[in-house]
Amino acid sequence: AQSVTQLDSQVPVFEEAPVELRCNYSSSVSVYLFWYVQYPNQGLQLLLKYLSGSTLVESINGFEAEFNKSQTSFHLRKPSVHISDTAEYFCAVSEEGGADGLTFGKGTHLIIQP
Amino acid sequence: DAGVIQSPRHEVTEMGQEVTLRCKPISGHNSLFWYRQTMMRGLELLIYFNNNVPIDDSGMPEDRFSAKMPNASFSTLKIQPSEPRDSAVYFCASSFAGWTGELFFGEGSRLTVL
Repeated sequence: AQSVTQLDSQVPVFEEAPVELRCNYSSSVSVYLFWYVQYPNQGLQLLLKYLSGSTLVESINGFEAEFNKSQTSFHLRKPSVHISDTAEYFCAVSEEGGADGLTFGKGTHLIIQP
Repeated sequence: DAGVIQSPRHEVTEMGQEVTLRCKPISGHNSLFWYRQTMMRGLELLIYFNNNVPIDDSGMPEDRFSAKMPNASFSTLKIQPSEPRDSAVYFCASSFAGWTGELFFGEGSRLTVL
């Protein structure tokens, strides 16, 4: 079975500053990795995913994440945040080739301060 | 194309009452997942279906919870009798066959049990 650890429950950042949201996972097999975003009173939306190939993946709104197999990490970064990035961010993992749903971390609340 | 549709969006009920939450997955998807989100426990997978068949219900908290998927376009999650500790947001999500892990979430049903 796999597990996901998001080390920070809350990250306050000033607008236009860079941010990193940390995610570590554990699994005995190869995995797929995901970041989902949840805006207030909404469902989760896929932000980006790593399936295979390049270890650096990007979203359309400026976020990126890098898969690091040796450190079992998939940290999410953005060089300059905006007020509209305020949301809950969830890291998730699934086993490669499996279809047993995603295992989610507990989420990190990104708070953008003006 | 419509996304995953859940109803009701909000439900307030009294302890002991029966609650039924409904989900219509995206057309063409053949896997359906029910998650529960609380502040204390984060996102928990309750049960999932492949081709309308329940595959893993180990996340269902107790016998008071039951889920059905009578056809490819409809699923229900029932709680009978409901208790205050069942208060949470319940999410339904669906995905394609040949699944790589990307789930499409509904906007959730917020349940409050008084």
